Amino acid sequence: AQRVTQPEKLLSVFKGAPVELKCNYSYSGSPELFWYVQYSRQRLQLLLRHISRESIKGFTADLNKGETSFHLKKPFAQEEDSAMYYCALSSQGGSEKLVFGKGTKLTVNP
Amino acid sequence: GAVVSQHPSWVICKSGTSVKIECRSLDFQATTMFWYRQFPKQSLMLMATSNEGSKATYEQGVEKDKFLINHASLTLSTLTVTSAHPEDSSFYICSARRTGLGEQYFGPGTRLTVT
Repeated sequence: AQRVTQPEKLLSVFKGAPVELKCNYSYSGSPELFWYVQYSRQRLQLLLRHISRESIKGFTADLNKGETSFHLKKPFAQEEDSAMYYCALSSQGGSEKLVFGKGTKLTVNP
Repeated sequence: GAVVSQHPSWVICKSGTSVKIECRSLDFQATTMFWYRQFPKQSLMLMATSNEGSKATYEQGVEKDKFLINHASLTLSTLTVTSAHPEDSSFYICSARRTGLGEQYFGPGTRLTVT
């Protein structure tokens, strides 16, 4: 069964501090991993996906198949990064339905 | 590009009535659309996968006769909540997958309140 675990419901850091949002997954095949962000009163939007290996808004995430993790990192957090972050998984080449983690609310304090 | 709209954004209805929610991809074609439900301060739960021109695929535990999904064109999918009850009150979100690509684009959501 596909499962995504985000162990931290809430995460609070100070501006300028590094931030890491954890995501672990369970899937028997080759998954596609995504990070979505939802700012206050806005729709869910894609932040990054592992196959593109991009850095968006200073965030990066590396897929670690050995640890089945896809942690989201940013070296210097900004106040505007405060939002809900969801890790999601889909099967490659399948129906591509997304399975979401429960989300982590990140608060960046001034 | 890749904008998804939902209508209405908020609806209040009486128990026992039916409500239709529309999901449109405004500037791209979407062979597949997805319907999610989100409870307050919780994650999104996939309800069903909607494929243009064919029957929707429902997730386990989702009543297909209660949540009717129609995907009649490459830019429109509708979710009809039939005989709504207060426990159906929730935030319903759709997403659309651009034909040929894996990325999903999300609508702004529809808040349904059943009184």
